[in-house]
Amino acid sequence: NAGVTQTPKFQVLKTGQSMTLQCAQDMNHEYMSWYRQDPGMGLRLIHYSVGAGITDQGEVPNGYNVSRSTTEDFPLRLLSAAPSQTSVYFCASSLRPGRDGYTFGSGTRLTVV
Amino acid sequence: AQSVTQLDSHVSVSEGTPVLLRCNYSSSYSPSLFWYVQHPNKGLQLLLKYTSAATLVKGINGFEAEFKKSETSFHLTKPSAHMSDAAEYFCVVSEGRAGNNRKLIWGLGTSLAVNP
Repeated sequence: NAGVTQTPKFQVLKTGQSMTLQCAQDMNHEYMSWYRQDPGMGLRLIHYSVGAGITDQGEVPNGYNVSRSTTEDFPLRLLSAAPSQTSVYFCASSLRPGRDGYTFGSGTRLTVV
Repeated sequence: AQSVTQLDSHVSVSEGTPVLLRCNYSSSYSPSLFWYVQHPNKGLQLLLKYTSAATLVKGINGFEAEFKKSETSFHLTKPSAHMSDAAEYFCVVSEGRAGNNRKLIWGLGTSLAVNP
């Protein structure tokens, strides 16, 4: 049971480049979320999904897209990277977030230069 | 609206002494509350959770927390700190009614240092 798997672990992008952060879970969780973590700001929700085919915006969605074609996968796309997107990104999944909390991946450290 | 306040951004204790990390919340509904731990350069791990059952909740690694509705608090404690407890700790409240609510409200974190 791998839990939540994120790839890559580290990435350096140039301003304007696009890329996709991958997230996969093998626990058959309906709920999946993407967070970014910045010093002094805690975790902020970017996008979330309550099941395959259903996504919605969190509190900081600008510059990011998501899709959920399967229960297992929830990729996060950076459309045109900006230095302000330098952060650590976490993917998380849950069967019942309000009762169980989330299981987190190990994170992707992204630097945009 | 729900909110979470972690009252200390940094806490420093000596190994073997008690740990207290304070968390206050506000919620219009009966909340679910969580504590997560993040070790340096690692992901987040669930320490414990309160979901309207027993008000004293026991978690992993000897941590526990007590839900006090009258004080709107959910403080995290451990009787005796270990060096391996040095980490960032996050208090989290669920948004909306208890159940399959999807959004969690995060505190800004408390950094715990353990001195030998």
